[in-house]
Parts: sequence; C-alpha cells; structure tokens
Amino acid sequence: DVVMTQTPVSLSVSLGGQTSISCRSSQSLVHSDGNTYLYWYLQKPGQSPQLLIYKVSNRFSGVPDRFSGSGSGTDFTLKISRVEPEDLGVYYCYQGTHYPPTFGGGTKLELK
Amino acid sequence: QVQLKESGPGLVQPSQTLSLTCTVSGFSLTSNSVHWVRQPPGKGLEWVGAIWSGGSTDYNSALKSRLSISRDTSKSQVFLKMNSLQTEDTAIYFCTRSGGGYWGQGVMVTVSS
Repeated sequence: DVVMTQTPVSLSVSLGGQTSISCRSSQSLVHSDGNTYLYWYLQKPGQSPQLLIYKVSNRFSGVPDRFSGSGSGTDFTLKISRVEPEDLGVYYCYQGTHYPPTFGGGTKLELK
Repeated sequence: QVQLKESGPGLVQPSQTLSLTCTVSGFSLTSNSVHWVRQPPGKGLEWVGAIWSGGSTDYNSALKSRLSISRDTSKSQVFLKMNSLQTEDTAIYFCTRSGGGYWGQGVMVTVSS
C-alpha cells in the first residue's frame, strides 16, 4: 500500500497568518491516465471530512482561495493564508491513484 | 442536491455481523461510485471499500475476508456488511461519493458485549 506521510503532526498558527502542510507518498501518484489523484481534506471536530483540494491543486466548490495546493510526483503541499477560526481542525491528504486508496495520518491545526 | 446518509445499529456484539446502509440522493449509483471510510475514535481515516458505477467492488485488503459491499440501484442504497466484528472495528463509518466532495454525516458503530 502507498504510505502517505504528513508533516508536521500538529501546527500552531496565529489568526491572519500563513502556514503549510507537507504530504509525501511512498510512490509517485501520477496515474497511467496522466492525472495525479492527490486530495486534501479538513475535518472539523464532530464533522465529516470536507474536500478542499482535488487533483493536487484544484479547489473544490466553495473553498476560499486562501487554500492552495501544489506539488508533483511524491511531494505535495497545502498552503493556508490569512488563517481564520473556521480553518482549525485536522487536515488529511489522500491518494486515489493506487489501490487501495490511503490517507495521511493527519495534521492538527491549532491557534497559537 | 447531492446527499448521503448512513444508517445502522450503534452497538454490535463481538463476533457478530455489522450491516450498514448508505442512502443517497441527487445522483445515480450507475454513474458514480460510493466508498466507505471509517475512523476509530480519536484516530485517522481508513478507506474500507468501494462499489463502482458498474457494480464491481474493491476492498481494503486487511478487511477483504470479512467485508461485502453491494447496492440496490432502484432504492439508491449501498450496503456494507462486515462479519466477525472485533473491538478494533469500533469506529465512525462514512459513505462518500466518488470525487470525494460529498460525504454522509457518519454513523458511530461500537463493538462491545
């Protein structure tokens, strides 16, 4: 199975600040169809995960442009700028290129 | 409006079988796959399995021997059955549509005597 390694495990940020989360995969996530099926989710306490970014860098409907995704191959980054209180929670990366799909271990974003 | 809703028993005894239903609306099961994902209390997310638009299935290899996913397209429902439950299967079980953008609210399943 593809191992997804997220760093850091936890992150403290000030409101209005900027931060980033790294996700590394044990294999390239480039699919034979040319797409890279790397996703980013945010899970707020007591809620289902909500999709932020799909296929590395595409924001899902309604996701503010404060969230941006980048990367290729095995190294990916989620950047969050102008952090707001609603951004707090646990962030997960997820790969759907190889079966079985796998999630990263999560990064908890907290207020400094 | 795309919606998914999980239902099933909150408590299951060890060694028994878990049966969950995901009822969907706003999209067709013959055009979209549905995945099951679970989350043990205080832990991360684990992909459980999926049923594809054509009806074929894929399962987490660690659960494959105990797991079955099926559907009833006329009722817009997807079913998860897992036998020989253990305490480690205690988790919130979510169903989600292909593409990852739509999830149910999840159902908490506790395996305990």
